[in-house]
Amino acid sequence: DGGITQSPKYLFRKEGQNVTLSCEQNLNHDAMYWYRQDPGQGLRLIYYSQIVNDFQKGDIAEGYSVSREKKESFPLTVTSAQKNPTAFYLCASSPTRNTGELFFGEGSRLTVL
Amino acid sequence: AQSVTQLDSQVPVFEEAPVELRCNYSSSVSVYLFWYVQYPNQGLQLLLKYLSGSTLVKGINGFEAEFNKSQTSFHLRKPSVHISDTAEYFCAVTYNTNAGKSTFGDGTTLTVKP
Repeated sequence: DGGITQSPKYLFRKEGQNVTLSCEQNLNHDAMYWYRQDPGQGLRLIYYSQIVNDFQKGDIAEGYSVSREKKESFPLTVTSAQKNPTAFYLCASSPTRNTGELFFGEGSRLTVL
Repeated sequence: AQSVTQLDSQVPVFEEAPVELRCNYSSSVSVYLFWYVQYPNQGLQLLLKYLSGSTLVKGINGFEAEFNKSQTSFHLRKPSVHISDTAEYFCAVTYNTNAGKSTFGDGTTLTVKP
């Protein structure tokens, strides 16, 4: 089945450690996105990529990094510079670059102890 | 700044009652509009979308929404809800000047009671 796979679903880390969240899609979509979700808030855009080997910062990029070496893959690294990394992270892809219609993965919940 | 406001953070209703979840956005320029549903600890799933054409849009699970350009609104409705509709609902807007990036509302928690 076509879709977006995020892993791991749950992740616990100590303060000061970098962690990488995986996102893979087999929908043949050009655009991919990372969002952060906190309780009672909407989704906030961290990074997005509209084509391989290119990506742009979203609204809350500080403390995060990404790469887009393959069309199918868009991993997110949460670095030690991110002041409040505990959150639910959602990866999404889009079949077009214009409308913003999104297909989401199941999410990864990161807890920093 | 472009923004999306979901007017109710929580909506409790009884089973088989009608429901309306309200969404307003900040600009009347050309937009694309979406409603997504999220069940606990899961990703978001597209309920319906307005890209162009008829202002009344029908989606999955019996939901529909109406695009009102003059009021910059995109309210979600269902004539009769089920227990299984209990979830969080997000309104999202893509402004055509924003390179495909959606702006999300803060979400509305719909709780359907027996």
